[in-house]
Amino acid sequence: DTAVSQTPKYLVTQMGNDKSIKCEQNLGHDTMYWYKQDSKKFLKIMFSYNNKELIINETVPNRFSPKSPDKAHLNLHINSLELGDSAVYFCASSQVWDRGGRDTPYNEQFFGPGTRLTVL
Amino acid sequence: GEDVEQSLFLSVREGDSSVINCTYTDSSSTYLYWYKQEPGAGLQLLTYIFSNMDMKQDQRLTVLLNKKDKHLSLRIADTQTGDSAIYFCAESMRGGGNKLTFGTGTQLKVEL
Repeated sequence: DTAVSQTPKYLVTQMGNDKSIKCEQNLGHDTMYWYKQDSKKFLKIMFSYNNKELIINETVPNRFSPKSPDKAHLNLHINSLELGDSAVYFCASSQVWDRGGRDTPYNEQFFGPGTRLTVL
Repeated sequence: GEDVEQSLFLSVREGDSSVINCTYTDSSSTYLYWYKQEPGAGLQLLTYIFSNMDMKQDQRLTVLLNKKDKHLSLRIADTQTGDSAIYFCAESMRGGGNKLTFGTGTQLKVEL
């Protein structure tokens, strides 16, 4: 099936640990994203990569380090986990990246199923 | 600013129409979107509208955009129990690197 997949679906860990969440898309897209959804369901972008290059970094603590080994993968590594990191993390991908030209293309983002991270 | 606001909760009877509202503050929005999130699932794009349009219809869904008031709405005709979910509006802006700014989400509950 063509899709955006994430592993693991659930992740329970202790404060202070280091963990990674993996994301893969087989849609042939150039751009990938990480979003965080908090306990109140508020969704906010964290990072965006285009062709393995970091494009957006939205004031995320440097304990969070995205890594894109290739265009189809964008992994999220989190060091020294804190209670406030508990959330659902969504990966997404889209075909092209908006460079801000006059004709901005419509560019649907496809979301993965999410990873629920619980820090105890 | 990038504030996108929605009412938190909406309850309707099956078969009625639902109207979910969204207000945004940034007038440079290029596209506006409606996403649906079912419990324990990811986000599913329902529909979108380009900022130079004021209405878009897609089967049971009607999107209205009032740029002057920065108001977006989603009308679901003949609402079914399967429409129960959280609905998010979102905006993207030219040169924003495709960043989606999401609204606060509206929980739609459809009662029999």
